[in-house]
Amino acid sequence: DGGITQSPKYLFRKEGQNVTLSCEQNLNHDAMYWYRQDPGQGLRLIYYSQIVNDFQKGDIAEGYSVSREKKESFPLTVTSAQKNPTAFYLCASSAGTGGLNYGYTFGSGTRLTVV
Amino acid sequence: AQSVTQLGSHVSVSEGALVLLRCNYSSSVPPYLFWYVQYPNQGLQLLLKYTTGATLVKGINGFEAEFKKSETSFHLTKPSAHMSDAAEYFCAVSQNDMRFGAGTRLTVKP
Repeated sequence: DGGITQSPKYLFRKEGQNVTLSCEQNLNHDAMYWYRQDPGQGLRLIYYSQIVNDFQKGDIAEGYSVSREKKESFPLTVTSAQKNPTAFYLCASSAGTGGLNYGYTFGSGTRLTVV
Repeated sequence: AQSVTQLGSHVSVSEGALVLLRCNYSSSVPPYLFWYVQYPNQGLQLLLKYTTGATLVKGINGFEAEFKKSETSFHLTKPSAHMSDAAEYFCAVSQNDMRFGAGTRLTVKP
């Protein structure tokens, strides 16, 4: 079955470390997105990519980086510059850009905790 | 700019009672509107969407929503709540990108 796979499900990071969250999709979707979810704040867009080798900053890109070398993959790196990285991270994809009338397909998320 | 406001961060209903989750949007052009559901420690799942055409949209699990342009609303309803409906629900609006509301946590009491 087609879908989005995020790994790992739980991740622990020490202060000052960079960590990379994986997101892979086999839906042949062009667009991919990374969101951060904090209690009571809904979903906030970190980065998005509409095509391979191209990506744009979202609302809260500071302290994060991404790459889009393959259509299927959109990894997110949480750098040491991100001062409050503890959160639930969601990856999504869509057949059309901006979600438009297709809606998004989401992965099951990665919960990152700073220890 | 487009935005979404969900009225009520937490809604509690009894099993078998009507579920009503409120969503108002702001958009400069006719929007695409969505409702998603999220179970604990899971991603979001699309419940239903409005693009064009019929303003009453039916989704999965017995949910439906009505697009009311005059009220800029897209409220989610279900006639009879089930225990398995307990989850967080997100309304979203899409023009150039998808904007999500803050979410409403639904609790269902036995």
